[in-house]
Amino acid sequence: NAGVTQTPKFQVLKTGQSMTLQCAQDMNHNSMYWYRQDPGMGLRLIYYSASEGTTDKGEVPNGYNVSRLNKREFSLRLESAAPSQTSVYFCASTLTRNTEAFFGQGTRLTVV
Amino acid sequence: QKEVEQDPGPLSVPEGAIVSLNCTYSNSAFQYFMWYRQYSRKGPELLMYTYSSGNKEDGRFTAQVDKSSKYISLFIRDSQPSDSATYLCAMSGNSGNTPLVFGKGTRLSVIA
Repeated sequence: NAGVTQTPKFQVLKTGQSMTLQCAQDMNHNSMYWYRQDPGMGLRLIYYSASEGTTDKGEVPNGYNVSRLNKREFSLRLESAAPSQTSVYFCASTLTRNTEAFFGQGTRLTVV
Repeated sequence: QKEVEQDPGPLSVPEGAIVSLNCTYSNSAFQYFMWYRQYSRKGPELLMYTYSSGNKEDGRFTAQVDKSSKYISLFIRDSQPSDSATYLCAMSGNSGNTPLVFGKGTRLSVIA
């Protein structure tokens, strides 16, 4: 029962470095999401993919890019990391837009 | 005005108390309402899911939706220390591809 799997779980980057956060789901869900969670700010949507082959910006897309590689996988890329991107990143998936969201365990990213 | 407003707390109650958690929202198109529970350093997990107005009960948890007031509540009866977590409300509508909109979460501590 893997559900939504995120890698890595922890990462420390230097300012200006790039990295890709990986997310995979095994529930045959259509929609996938990337959120960031910061103290006092709640979950903020970065990008989402309503279905395979489509991606859309969320509330805070600047500094990020995404790729819906196939129905299972949705990656988030930081091209040039900044300290403001220090956060906990969650990937989620839903069967359809109005059904339950399943979340991964999160990636704790620190940019120094 | 944010689409979904939720008091961040923290809320501290003694074991056995009845807890009331609330969210207000501004978008009258919202039809699907959810409550998620998030333990420290974990991803959110679905607790309750309701459609349109009314009540739903599951064990010690009751979710209420009042669409006329744009107000939803989660009640926890006989609260336990294991209920200590952050509770996030979430909601969505029928139109377009808009993903779930989350409240910022209320941090609850149940003291033994």
